[in-house]
Amino acid sequence: AQKVTQAQTEISVVEKEDVTLDCVYETRDTTYYLFWYKQPPSGELVFLIRRNSFDEQNEISGRYSWNFQKSTSSFNFTITASQVVDSAVYFCALSEVADSGGGADGLTFGKGTHLIIQP
Amino acid sequence: ETGVTQSPTHLIKTRGQQVTLRCSSQSGHNTVSWYQQALGQGPQFIFQYYREEENGRGNFPPRFSGLQFPNYSSELNVNALELDDSALYLCASSFSSGRSGNEQFFGPGTRLTVL
Repeated sequence: AQKVTQAQTEISVVEKEDVTLDCVYETRDTTYYLFWYKQPPSGELVFLIRRNSFDEQNEISGRYSWNFQKSTSSFNFTITASQVVDSAVYFCALSEVADSGGGADGLTFGKGTHLIIQP
Repeated sequence: ETGVTQSPTHLIKTRGQQVTLRCSSQSGHNTVSWYQQALGQGPQFIFQYYREEENGRGNFPPRFSGLQFPNYSSELNVNALELDDSALYLCASSFSSGRSGNEQFFGPGTRLTVL
């Protein structure tokens, strides 16, 4: 069975600090996808990134960067120079790849990390 | 481009009742997934519909059922409501060509309270 662990329940930093959110996953599949979503107080999940298990290159998008390490089953997310608007709950999720049954891909989410950026 | 929409926004029911939640998928998407998010928890996968058929299901009992219509909109039905069904119900749409791992885009959710 697949599992996603986000050990940090809540992180509080002062604006402009860098912050890293940890994500560790478990899966028996060799092919899978990893995701990060942001959930602001409004409740709607906002898609941030998708990576497949064959692509271990780190990715940077503006102030966001992601470090995927297959050897440690981790997919960590770093926000550089954090801003108050980054305050939200962040979820890491895993989808195993299925070739049968129409490719069902329900996401397995971690419990989320509540990030608080103080001004 | 219209995003994923859900209705109603909030709903209050009593134990034992039945409820129907609705979701309109994003333009161009053909797959709809439903998730239950209890307070302080991550979303849990209920089921997914592709080409109007259920093609994947999480660990939820049969009293959770759904439909997908030809326009790719979807309904989630819950019978015999229990107090633990109180949660935020999220709908997500995606485009699938038959393989999984697709990006899912979420609606704002329906907050269900069971008294």
